[in-house]
Amino acid sequence: DGGITQSPKYLFRKEGQNVTLSCEQNLNHDAMYWYRQDPGQGLRLIYYSQIVNDFQKGDIAEGYSVSREKKESFPLTVTSAQKNPTAFYLCASSTDRNVLTFGAGSRLTVL
Amino acid sequence: AQSVTQPDIHITVSEGASLELRCNYSYGATPYLFWYVQSPGQGLQLLLKYFSGDTLVQGIKGFEAEFKRSQSSFNLRKPSVHWSDAAEYFCAVMDSSYKLIFGSGTRLLVRP
Repeated sequence: DGGITQSPKYLFRKEGQNVTLSCEQNLNHDAMYWYRQDPGQGLRLIYYSQIVNDFQKGDIAEGYSVSREKKESFPLTVTSAQKNPTAFYLCASSTDRNVLTFGAGSRLTVL
Repeated sequence: AQSVTQPDIHITVSEGASLELRCNYSYGATPYLFWYVQSPGQGLQLLLKYFSGDTLVQGIKGFEAEFKRSQSSFNLRKPSVHWSDAAEYFCAVMDSSYKLIFGSGTRLLVRP
């Protein structure tokens, strides 16, 4: 079945560490997105990529980095510069820039 | 700037009762509007979308939504709620750069 796979589902990080969240899709979608979800705040866009080797900052990119070396993959690195990284992270993709398909999410907790 | 407002943080309804979740948007042109549903600890699933045409849109799981330009609203409705509908619901509008702007969500609780 086609879909988006995010891993790990749960991740714990010590302060000062970088962590990378994986997002892989087999939908042949061109565009991929990373969102952050905090209780009561909805989803906020971190980064997005519309084609391979190109990506743009979203509304809350500070403290995050991404790469898009392959169409199928769009990993997100949460760096030590992110002041409050504990959140639920959602990856999504789309083919026609209109309808997003979401992964199941990764929950990051800073200890 | 585009924005989406979901005025109800929580809504509780009895199983079998009707449901309406409110959504108001701010967007200058004809909006692309969406409703997504999220079960706890899961990703989002598309319920329905409005791009153009008939202002009453049918979605999955028996949901529908009505686009009212004069009220800048896109409210989600269901005539009879099932316990499995308990989840968080997000309204979203697509901006001019093809990015989704989400509301803060409405959590639906269903009483037996």
